[in-house]
Amino acid sequence: EAGVTQSPTHLIKTRGQQATLRCSPISGHTSVYWYQQALGLGLQFLLWYDEGEERNRGNFPPRFSGRQFPNYSSELNVNALELEDSALYLCASSSTGAGNTIYFGEGSWLTVV
Amino acid sequence: AQSVTQLDSQVPVFEEAPVELRCNYSSSVSVYLFWYVQYPNQGLQLLLKYLSGSTLVESINGFEAEFNKSQTSFHLRKPSVHISDTAEYFCAVTRYSSASKIIFGSGTRLSIRP
Repeated sequence: EAGVTQSPTHLIKTRGQQATLRCSPISGHTSVYWYQQALGLGLQFLLWYDEGEERNRGNFPPRFSGRQFPNYSSELNVNALELEDSALYLCASSSTGAGNTIYFGEGSWLTVV
Repeated sequence: AQSVTQLDSQVPVFEEAPVELRCNYSSSVSVYLFWYVQYPNQGLQLLLKYLSGSTLVESINGFEAEFNKSQTSFHLRKPSVHISDTAEYFCAVTRYSSASKIIFGSGTRLSIRP
């Protein structure tokens, strides 16, 4: 069974551009989470989608947005890129319900130059 | 709101020595607790989790963690580490009883010296 898949693996953008990252959850999982892992800052919670709805978002500016599609895949959009947006963006999925394990993808490296 | 504190950003130990990675959480409600591991250049993998029942939980590769409600801790231990345990370890918490976002600590980098 396929795990969580993310694309692209690496992405290089210039300041001010927009980046779109994509995530396909494990089959049967309806929840998708996005985390940012910047150097030295650990994992910062970005967004949580479940059944197509945004359930929660972290302390990030509105230029970070996303959506979940009917097939439960998701995309993360970052507008007006800034240098400090350079990070590993991790997507994770789980089935709905408290305490369920979340499974992570390998991540997408975004570099803003 | 929940929060997680990992007190040590880096822990260097010698091979075959014991190790403890500390994790404390803060929450006004009951929680579930997790430890995830991130090997170099890889995504995160679940190591172990506490949902309910026995406060001592074990992983398949020799790690264990004990849920201590009075001290709001969930420290990770291993009696004898191997070079292959070199990784970053993340403690995480989520609210009990309803689906909730999972909050991660800042991570502890475990480096094993031969």
